[in-house]
Amino acid sequence: AQSVTQLDSHVSVSEGTPVLLRCNYSSSYSPSLFWYVQHPNKGLQLLLKYTSAATLVKGINGFEAEFKKSETSFHLTKPSAHMSDAAEYFCIVGGYQKVTFGTGTKLQVIP
Amino acid sequence: ETGVTQSPTHLIKTRGQQVTLRCSSQSGHNTVSWYQQALGQGPQFIFQYYREEENGRGNFPPRFSGLQFPNYSSELNVNALELDDSALYLCASSKGDRGYYEQYFGPGTRLTVT
Repeated sequence: AQSVTQLDSHVSVSEGTPVLLRCNYSSSYSPSLFWYVQHPNKGLQLLLKYTSAATLVKGINGFEAEFKKSETSFHLTKPSAHMSDAAEYFCIVGGYQKVTFGTGTKLQVIP
Repeated sequence: ETGVTQSPTHLIKTRGQQVTLRCSSQSGHNTVSWYQQALGQGPQFIFQYYREEENGRGNFPPRFSGLQFPNYSSELNVNALELDDSALYLCASSKGDRGYYEQYFGPGTRLTVT
């Protein structure tokens, strides 16, 4: 069985400050973990993917995520938020089974 | 490399009607998954097609059905439309049917049922 929990439904940051979006997972197997971003009325875009290689994964647009097995976490970070980062972010766990979506975190960036 | 495309972009239907949504998968991908995303919610898995066979289904009634064609494009059909079917319908293609493959999403079809 697998599950994923996004710990914050909304996160608000000021432009230029760091972003932290939290994701915890549960999986019976070694999971693959993904972060996707969705801008309003758009499809989902892959930000980054973890597949048991390096624990620190770098993605597009300056985002990165660290896989911590001991904490069963895969938090998404960015050093400096930009206005264009305002969107909804989904953490997804996958493996031998189908993918499981988190409930999403809406990121607000304040000018 | 052509990405995932969906048609139409928007659609308005009346309760009780039937609708067909279309998805062209990315080149080299043999798997298509369909999702329903109601306003303000995350995507909900409808079903997946792998090499032209349904290969997993979420908690959706049989009036949601689909097809996958030899070129791996896909259709989602919804019969007897209900008001609650109003949503953004997303398709995603991937290289295989396992959850460790990244999915590439289309822009979605916005369905409004009145």
